[in-house]
Amino acid sequence: QQQVKQSPQSLIVQKGGISIINCAYENTAFDYFPWYQQFPGKGPALLIAIRPDVSEKKEGRFTISFNKSAKQFSLHIMDSQPGDSATYFCAASTDSNYQLIWGAGTKLIIKP
Amino acid sequence: NAGVTQTPKFRILKIGQSMTLQCTQDMNHNYMYWYRQDPGMGLKLIYYSVGAGITDKGEVPNGYNVSRSTTEDFPLRLELAAPSQTSVYFCASSRTANYGYTFGSGTRLTVV
Repeated sequence: QQQVKQSPQSLIVQKGGISIINCAYENTAFDYFPWYQQFPGKGPALLIAIRPDVSEKKEGRFTISFNKSAKQFSLHIMDSQPGDSATYFCAASTDSNYQLIWGAGTKLIIKP
Repeated sequence: NAGVTQTPKFRILKIGQSMTLQCTQDMNHNYMYWYRQDPGMGLKLIYYSVGAGITDKGEVPNGYNVSRSTTEDFPLRLELAAPSQTSVYFCASSRTANYGYTFGSGTRLTVV
């Protein structure tokens, strides 16, 4: 019940296309859903986050869509660029838990 | 403004040796975390701390120890290194529980 399942494991998108990464969870107590971006040789960095009181959050080309009833959330990268090539992690947590529960990661490659 | 600093960046250990991975943050964050990252496995929490003098086990604590004598420092000790501890280790900190982690650049450890 504590798991966050992330898919796909890897993704190749043409430059200018839309990249979509999906995550699913079981624990309905989760109330914070961040996405992290990790470049090779670096630590993950917070990209965007959402709480379940909204269905969508947009920051530039990055959008989180949240479906509370389906217990799913997804990251959409619009107009994908080669510089977006990285590994993306979704995560989830509750206010009462000091631990982020992480997805397994998606390696995204944007082809020029 | 260094953020989270980890040393060393790379290390090769022989089976049975011990070492300490150093982690220092200059953001006055109360919360600090140690993760290990294995290929395709995402991030696994080893230990975390909610403030100086307070530490607790995460998901995979066996074979590791931590201490938190100051707000800034959170070293991770490996005793009797084993090949299963070959991994990339990340330290992270946050101002509040779970939100907006800042990660270090990682330590790549190989046990042979």
